[in-house]
Amino acid sequence: GEDVEQSLFLSVREGDSSVINCTYTDSSSTYLYWYKQEPGAGLQLLTYIFSNMDMKQDQRLTVLLNKKDKHLSLRIADTQTGDSAIYFCAESTPGGSYIPTFGRGTSLIVHP
Amino acid sequence: DGGITQSPKYLFRKEGQNVTLSCEQNLNHDAMYWYRQDPGQGLRLIYYSQIVNDFQKGDIAEGYSVSREKKESFPLTVTSAQKNPTAFYLCASMRGQTNTGELFFGEGSRLTVL
Repeated sequence: GEDVEQSLFLSVREGDSSVINCTYTDSSSTYLYWYKQEPGAGLQLLTYIFSNMDMKQDQRLTVLLNKKDKHLSLRIADTQTGDSAIYFCAESTPGGSYIPTFGRGTSLIVHP
Repeated sequence: DGGITQSPKYLFRKEGQNVTLSCEQNLNHDAMYWYRQDPGQGLRLIYYSQIVNDFQKGDIAEGYSVSREKKESFPLTVTSAQKNPTAFYLCASMRGQTNTGELFFGEGSRLTVL
């Protein structure tokens, strides 16, 4: 089965908050990431969180980590049409040479 | 500006032909990676290289080959043995002494087999 799972689609109205969820199976995961991919482009790192943290906030982005449930979420406040993209959850460990395992990606569609 | 350059952006090939995708980086990163992306499937690792003249197979290496003769370059050849090569290919790099494991990606190359 997949090591990292996330739902495939999320649709929100402009100005609302978006919450994208992710679960992972590797209890030794040290780093958890959110990458953003705009249409026809490569991925860009949005934010990351260490496994010894519960929360990280960066402007409109809030990452929550529940290590017990192996659940990661990304909240985007005041979602804009420019936030429409695919969001990938990923995890890695230093023991695995940091090579991340990616989820399938969540397509966020923001309606005006 | 530093970054990763992939070329060509779009490529068409006939069945039975080999094709090589270029990936060049000027970030002075030690490690480089090739991923394949199919709709709804996320990213799957094809090959990676952590040092010049050395590379390892990823999860889906069959039908692909790579070389790493220079630190800056990590070309991927899609051979005729790859049964379903139509996909979006992404090259990435990572700093050697990383403490975050951040990957830096190129803009991708879309290969279509006719």
